[in-house]
Amino acid sequence: DTAVSQTPKYLVTQMGNDKSIKCEQNLGHDTMYWYKQDSKKFLKIMFSYNNKELIINETVPNRFSPKSPDKAHLNLHINSLELGDSAVYFCASGHTGELFFGEGSRLTVL
Amino acid sequence: AQSVTQLDSQVPVFEEAPVELRCNYSSSVSVYLFWYVQYPNQGLQLLLKYLSGSTLVESINGFEAEFNKSQTSFHLRKPSVHISDTAEYFCAVSESSGNTPLVFGKGTRLSVIA
Repeated sequence: DTAVSQTPKYLVTQMGNDKSIKCEQNLGHDTMYWYKQDSKKFLKIMFSYNNKELIINETVPNRFSPKSPDKAHLNLHINSLELGDSAVYFCASGHTGELFFGEGSRLTVL
Repeated sequence: AQSVTQLDSQVPVFEEAPVELRCNYSSSVSVYLFWYVQYPNQGLQLLLKYLSGSTLVESINGFEAEFNKSQTSFHLRKPSVHISDTAEYFCAVSESSGNTPLVFGKGTRLSVIA
């Protein structure tokens, strides 16, 4: 029974397209996150939601729009994709630094 | 704001040899410290954590880390590594108030050689 699941696992798309990644957690956590991992494995937080409310929005282009319909879901929509958006996007949930991560969604922009 | 420095980007080591992965942090407030492990093509998994109490913390698979406040370090050690320990290891820090997100170091690639 997967704790944090995200779909799709792989996305390959052209520049300028729009794509979405979905995330669901069944751990009962109030807080969910999106992290971006670049080709050098560096992990950077993008967004954090607590009980459907945005609490952290790092310096991410406004082409990225998170949406949390309920506290178990945090989806990520990306408009007008650029080459530099190619990365692995990880969803996570948890608290006090103890995070549970999904398996990642590898986005490749051509 | 907190920051984490992992001095070694890659650490190759022979099987059954000991290993130490270094982590130093910077913060003006008290912190919680973590080590996460990422196996190929997987998400990160919590390996061990320091929240309070004993400065030496251990994981179930033989890793340990020691919180050293004076040296602002949280180095990860294992006395004898296995091939299956090959992975990317991330040190991370958050404020103990819980008001800040987890900040990760750049990772250390541990490669265990048979």
